[in-house]
Amino acid sequence: DAKTTQPTSMDCAEGRAANLPCNHSTISGNEYVYWYRQIHSQGPQYIIHGLKNNETNEMASLIITEDRKSSTLILPHATLRDTAVYYCIVRVDGGSYIPTFGRGTSLIVHP
Amino acid sequence: DGGITQSPKYLFRKEGQNVTLSCEQNLNHDAMYWYRQDPGQGLRLIYYSQIVNDFQKGDIAEGYSVSREKKESFPLTVTSAQKNPTAFYLCASSLGTFDEQFFGPGTRLTVL
Repeated sequence: DAKTTQPTSMDCAEGRAANLPCNHSTISGNEYVYWYRQIHSQGPQYIIHGLKNNETNEMASLIITEDRKSSTLILPHATLRDTAVYYCIVRVDGGSYIPTFGRGTSLIVHP
Repeated sequence: DGGITQSPKYLFRKEGQNVTLSCEQNLNHDAMYWYRQDPGQGLRLIYYSQIVNDFQKGDIAEGYSVSREKKESFPLTVTSAQKNPTAFYLCASSLGTFDEQFFGPGTRLTVL
């Protein structure tokens, strides 16, 4: 299974875009990129996922490079409530696979 | 409201006692999971179940036991054999093991 690499921490000003990078250089053709976030002392929450096309929903946008070796989660207008740990995970869709949550990126949004 | 619940939110036990953490879901999901999280760390998989009456060990199953007698319920027992039981325990469910997971609010267990 492809592993992911994320920066340990990032910070962002409130109202600005938060761009969270993830490297997954060993990703295989049938593996999707998933993003979850975990607000302190709560369970992780699904944000978005994609295969190779860029995706957008009400929470965020996901940009996947053409070679699929990296991706960026974009929170277009970060708020203080977006302060959380963000996990990037790759997993096979359509097959049994239990996601592994590493340390993720701790995003702090400041006023 | 559909969702996944864990109770209690905080739990204290004396060393040497077994303790059972509750996890219930009304999402009609087949798959359920238990994770453990230590401060500043990611989530580590303890056990998972793909269907009723079946479960598999995860990466750190030693000192834990589970049962899956009903689709809605997946209780986790932390036994006295678990050397460092103090942690934040998270339960999750998904439609199948290839679907996105929904997490409960977690139980913070402290063993004194």
